[in-house]
Amino acid sequence: GESVGLHLPTLSVQEGDNSIINCAYSNSASDYFIWYKQESGKGPQFIIDIRSNMDKRQGQRVTVLLNKTVKHLSLQIAATQPGDSAVYFCAAAANAGKSTFGDGTTLTVKP
Amino acid sequence: EPEVTQTPSHQVTQMGQEVILRCVPISNHLYFYWYRQILGQKVEFLVSFYNNEISEKSEIFDDQFSVERPDGSNFTLKIRSTKLEDSAMYFCASSGQGREQYFGPGTRLTVT
Repeated sequence: GESVGLHLPTLSVQEGDNSIINCAYSNSASDYFIWYKQESGKGPQFIIDIRSNMDKRQGQRVTVLLNKTVKHLSLQIAATQPGDSAVYFCAAAANAGKSTFGDGTTLTVKP
Repeated sequence: EPEVTQTPSHQVTQMGQEVILRCVPISNHLYFYWYRQILGQKVEFLVSFYNNEISEKSEIFDDQFSVERPDGSNFTLKIRSTKLEDSAMYFCASSGQGREQYFGPGTRLTVT
């Protein structure tokens, strides 16, 4: 089965700096990857996704990079703001099946 | 903006009791999911539902669990005989033709 893991359980950055959160997955058949943001007391909120036929996708202030060779996924947040403080999860899915979530990384943005 | 809603926000029940957690997915979505998150841990997949049947389930989703779409709007998760270890946040999610899943705010289930 799939296992998804995050490299760091916590990350602290200064407001305005860029943040990078990394994730590794195990299943070569995974073809869809998602980053979620979870604020305290709320459900996961979709941030950005990427399919396996791409290696980079950009959104508003966020970029996801996918390296299928080493089964690695990263989320970059540009100009991090205090409102970005949350727990970030990556998830992987294969063949339109279930999403397997990784452990979260708690991002703290210092003013 | 459409959103997934869940009720109740917090459910307290005694061990051995049955609970039903309710969700109203986004109206034009076709795929429905339940996840759980034990306090401080990662989100775990329970079950997915499409076309009025379970399409996939995890090993967590044993015979104590069932799902139902009783009408055109609700999607429910029933736990027949709750155990202490069922205490968790339960999230419902739905998706349309794309694979992006929209999560509800969750129901906190406390089993005493």
